[in-house]
Amino acid sequence: GENVEQHPSTLSVQEGDSAVIKCTYSDSASNYFPWYKQELGKRPQLIIDIRSNVGEKKDQRIAVTLNKTAKHFSLHITETQPEDSAVYFCAASKRGKLIFGQGTTLQVKP
Amino acid sequence: DGGITQSPKYLFRKEGQNVTLSCEQNLNHDAMYWYRQDPGQGLRLIYYSQIVNDFQKGDIAEGYSVSREKKESFPLTVTSAQKNPTAFYLCASSDPKRTVNTEAFFGQGTRLTVV
Repeated sequence: GENVEQHPSTLSVQEGDSAVIKCTYSDSASNYFPWYKQELGKRPQLIIDIRSNVGEKKDQRIAVTLNKTAKHFSLHITETQPEDSAVYFCAASKRGKLIFGQGTTLQVKP
Repeated sequence: DGGITQSPKYLFRKEGQNVTLSCEQNLNHDAMYWYRQDPGQGLRLIYYSQIVNDFQKGDIAEGYSVSREKKESFPLTVTSAQKNPTAFYLCASSDPKRTVNTEAFFGQGTRLTVV
C-alpha cells in the first residue's frame, strides 16, 4: 500500500537558521503533495503544496521541492522564527486519498 | 472554523462500549476522511469516503466503522473491538474534483479516552 516516510522526527534550530524536512513516498501515481503545520492543541493547517507537474514552489520563507524520479519531496523554511515551532506533516495524495508522514517536531530557539 | 465541525471535543468511554464521533462539513466536499493521531505516529488513515454511500478502509480500520449516508456527514464509530482506542481523532474533507488542488480541511478533533 501507499506509504510516506518523513525525517527527521525532531528538529531543533536557532532562530534565523534554515530548517529542512524530507519525505519519501512509495506510490509513483501520487500527484499532489501538501505540507501541514499543527500547533499545539490545534488542527493541522495547510502551509504549502505542490503538484506532480511542478518541481519547486515558494511562498515567502517556505519552499517545497519535488523529485518525482526519486519519489521524494522536501520542505525548506528559511529565516526561522519562534512562531515556526510546531509539528509539520507531509502527505501524498492520489485520487483524493491522502496519506501522511509521521510528522516532524520543529523547535526554533530564540 | 473552516466549515468542518467535529463533536464532541472530549469523549470518555467505558471499556466494552461503542461510541460514535460526529463529523459534519458545509464545504460541499465529496471526500471525507478519518485519521487517528498518536504521539510520534503522525496521522494514520482509518477510513475515507470519496462519494456518498461509498467508503474504503485505510491503514488501521480494524475496530472502527463508518457510514456516509449524506454528503455533509461522515460519523465514525469506535467499537469495543478496537483494543487501544484512546487517541486524538481528526476528521477532514477535500474536493478531489478541483483542478487547482485537493487541500484537505480539518475539524478541531475529538479526544477519546477509555476509562
